[in-house]
Amino acid sequence: DAGVTQSPTHLIKTRGQHVTLRCSPISGHKSVSWYQQVLGQGPQFIFQYYEKEERGRGNFPDRFSARQFPNYSSELNVNALLLGDSALYLCASSWDELDPDTQYFGPGTRLTVL
Amino acid sequence: QKEVEQNSGPLSVPEGAIASLNCTYSDRGSQSFFWYRQYSGKSPELIMSIYSNGDKEDGRFTAQLNKASQYVSLLIRDSQPSDSATYLCAVNNQAGTALIFGKGTTLSVSS
Repeated sequence: DAGVTQSPTHLIKTRGQHVTLRCSPISGHKSVSWYQQVLGQGPQFIFQYYEKEERGRGNFPDRFSARQFPNYSSELNVNALLLGDSALYLCASSWDELDPDTQYFGPGTRLTVL
Repeated sequence: QKEVEQNSGPLSVPEGAIASLNCTYSDRGSQSFFWYRQYSGKSPELIMSIYSNGDKEDGRFTAQLNKASQYVSLLIRDSQPSDSATYLCAVNNQAGTALIFGKGTTLSVSS
């Protein structure tokens, strides 16, 4: 089975621009979570979606938004980019019926804001 | 603010030795605990999950959980140079909607 996929792999934007990151979960998984990881830190939770509904939101500004589609794929949108938004953005899928809490990460999208 | 604390390292061990990684967490409501391995420039890879007090073994890896002490550890037996990576401890929040990560411990295994 394919793992979690994310696109694009790398992205370079300038301050003030908008970015959309995409994620497809593991087949059969119904939940997608988004994390931001800056260099030297652990991943920080942004959002979790389950069955197209937002289940949780981390401490991020309203510039960050997300949605989940009927096929369980997801998009993370960031508006008005700041230099501090430069990070590795990770998508994780979960909600295997037998193990709902375990999250499996995709390869990530490296965002650089200039 | 719920926190997960790890020694940042680096933790250096010779090949074949046991590496011991430790983690403490602040939220007594956490029920699920995870160890991830992250190679430089890559995404986190799940090593083990543990939900009950005690030990859980998987190959060369043993996770230990003590909820009373709010302590989780990971032992790596017969350490190999390929084990050199950053190890992230993660616990779920009470709602089960998010993983809270520590900053990670960098392990270096020398041959």
